[in-house]
Amino acid sequence: ETGVTQSPTHLIKTRGQQVTLRCSSQSGHNTVSWYQQALGQGPQFIFQYYREEENGRGNFPPRFSGLQFPNYSSELNVNALELDDSALYLCASSLESPSYNEQFFGPGTRLTVL
Amino acid sequence: GDSVTQMEGPVTLSEEAFLTINCTYTATGYPSLFWYVQYPGEGLQLLLKATKADDKGSNKGFEATYRKETTSFHLEKGSVQVSDSAVYFCALPNTGNQFYFGTGTSLTVIP
Repeated sequence: ETGVTQSPTHLIKTRGQQVTLRCSSQSGHNTVSWYQQALGQGPQFIFQYYREEENGRGNFPPRFSGLQFPNYSSELNVNALELDDSALYLCASSLESPSYNEQFFGPGTRLTVL
Repeated sequence: GDSVTQMEGPVTLSEEAFLTINCTYTATGYPSLFWYVQYPGEGLQLLLKATKADDKGSNKGFEATYRKETTSFHLEKGSVQVSDSAVYFCALPNTGNQFYFGTGTSLTVIP
């Protein structure tokens, strides 16, 4: 059973560019949540996908968008990058609700915006 | 809105010392409460959880009790080891499954 994987590991972009981050959920998990973790801070909830539909969104602007595919893998897209978008982006997968079933985190993608 | 507040770090302890990391919460209703741990270079891992008032979660020698009267979920361990060095996060979900994490408490255990 493979765990949650994310790609790429590191990424450097410049302001105004667009980026796509990818997450492969753990086998059998149908729910993916994305988090932004700034340096020295706790993860901030971006949004959650359940069976290919957005199922909750945190306080992030619309330039943060996502997708979930039929195999339950997921993408996070960020348009018009800003310097403050520099952070570690984590995805987590779970079977149904992470409130009741453990969510498993990937190692994250470190995004640097210059 | 829902939130968690953790004690500020970093915390440095000698091996076999007693650990307490404070966490208090604000929530509508009575959500489950969680502690996650992040080892260097890794993603977060669930350490323990409690689903209702007076429940005690425990794992790997760590314990935390869900205290409704003080809205707290403090993490404790009687004897820390060097391998416990990590960042610890308190967290709770709202009714929409959105998880709120504390800012994290960095623990370093020295031999």
